Amino acid sequence: NAGVTQTPKFRILKIGQSMTLQCTQDMNHNYMYWYRQDPGMGLKLIYYSVGAGITDKGEVPNGYNVSRSTTEDFPLRLELAAPSQTSVYFCASSPLLGTGSTDTQYFGPGTRLTVL
Amino acid sequence: GQQLNQSPQSMFIQEGEDVSMNCTSSSIFNTWLWYKQEPGEGPVLLIALYKAGELTSNGRLTAQFGITRKDSFLNISASIPSDVGIYFCAGLTSGTYKYIFGTGTRLKVLA
Repeated sequence: NAGVTQTPKFRILKIGQSMTLQCTQDMNHNYMYWYRQDPGMGLKLIYYSVGAGITDKGEVPNGYNVSRSTTEDFPLRLELAAPSQTSVYFCASSPLLGTGSTDTQYFGPGTRLTVL
Repeated sequence: GQQLNQSPQSMFIQEGEDVSMNCTSSSIFNTWLWYKQEPGEGPVLLIALYKAGELTSNGRLTAQFGITRKDSFLNISASIPSDVGIYFCAGLTSGTYKYIFGTGTRLKVLA
């Protein structure tokens, strides 16, 4: 059980370039999330998904897009990268929420992105 | 966006000391989670709490779900150098899918 895996681990982009951050979980979790963490700051939610084919915006969605074609994968797309998108990106997953006794969230190791 | 208030923001302690930190919210939560994040790594789940008043331990770590459901506490006993990291709390309200995260407590342990 690998849990939540993310690729790449590091990436440097030039302004205006695009890229996709990959996220896969093997726990059959319904919910998946993308967060960004700026230096010395907490986690900000970018997008989340409650199941295959269903996605919704978090608090900082501008400049990003997501898709959820399978339960396992939740890629994050950056279009026209900007320096403000320099951050560490974390993917996370949760099993069915609201049961009261299994609500948990597991994180991947992160992708460190620098936009120059 | 909403964030939980975590205190203290940072702590420098001697090895062997006990540590206490807390998280407070203006909203009621049904679930509290505590994470540890080490430099260059993702947050790792330490303890999950589901009932008001619940006290749960994981080794030297003990966390409590506040009676008011608006706060939670984490204690670390007999700290060791590998306890260094940032500790985050997260809360979930029933019927929602989005966790709210604390601002983090940065812990440094002096040998």
